[in-house]
Amino acid sequence: AQTVTQSQPEMSVQEAETVTLSCTYDTSENNYYLFWYKQPPSRQMILVIRQEAYKQQNATENRFSVNFQKAAKSFSLKISDSQLGDTAMYFCAFMRGPYSGAGSYQLTFGKGTKLSVIP
Amino acid sequence: EAGVVQSPRYKIIEKKQPVAFWCNPISGHNTLYWYLQNLGQGPELLIRYENEEAVDDSQLPKDRFSAERLKGVDSTLKIQPAELGDSAVYLCASSLQGGEAFFGQGTRLTVV
Repeated sequence: AQTVTQSQPEMSVQEAETVTLSCTYDTSENNYYLFWYKQPPSRQMILVIRQEAYKQQNATENRFSVNFQKAAKSFSLKISDSQLGDTAMYFCAFMRGPYSGAGSYQLTFGKGTKLSVIP
Repeated sequence: EAGVVQSPRYKIIEKKQPVAFWCNPISGHNTLYWYLQNLGQGPELLIRYENEEAVDDSQLPKDRFSAERLKGVDSTLKIQPAELGDSAVYLCASSLQGGEAFFGQGTRLTVV
């Protein structure tokens, strides 16, 4: 079974600064997808960024970017110019690819990192 | 386009009573997930559907939990009888195969 580990239960960052959230995963597969989701207190889980394992280029989405190290099975999220609205729980998630039989597209989450942006 | 719709948003029941949650996924999404999320924790998969077929229900406590997805669209998750430890948020999500999962706002269940 795939496991996703987020080693930082809580983090804080000053407004306008940069913060990096860590994520590692364990898999024997070569074809998969990785995601970062944000969950504010409203409880709505929102996709932040997505990375396909076959792509070497790191995904970016405005102030959000990832550092995808496939060999190290590491997928960190960098938030630049942090804003108060970035305060939330952040979850790293792993999705199996299409060639895993009954396990295809299985989506597994880490335990999350609580990020607080300080004014 | 409407997102994933879940109801109810909140539910309080006494232990040993039955409860049901409903989910309407995004139109055209063939994959539907039910997750359980305890406070301060990540979502844990209960069951995943591909169309109307349950392809992964290994984490579903089948003695008290059941789910169905008739016609491969809406889905219902039921608990009977509920226990105190079932208090949690129940999340529904849907996706196209290989695409990101879109989540509903969840149902917060409190068992007293």
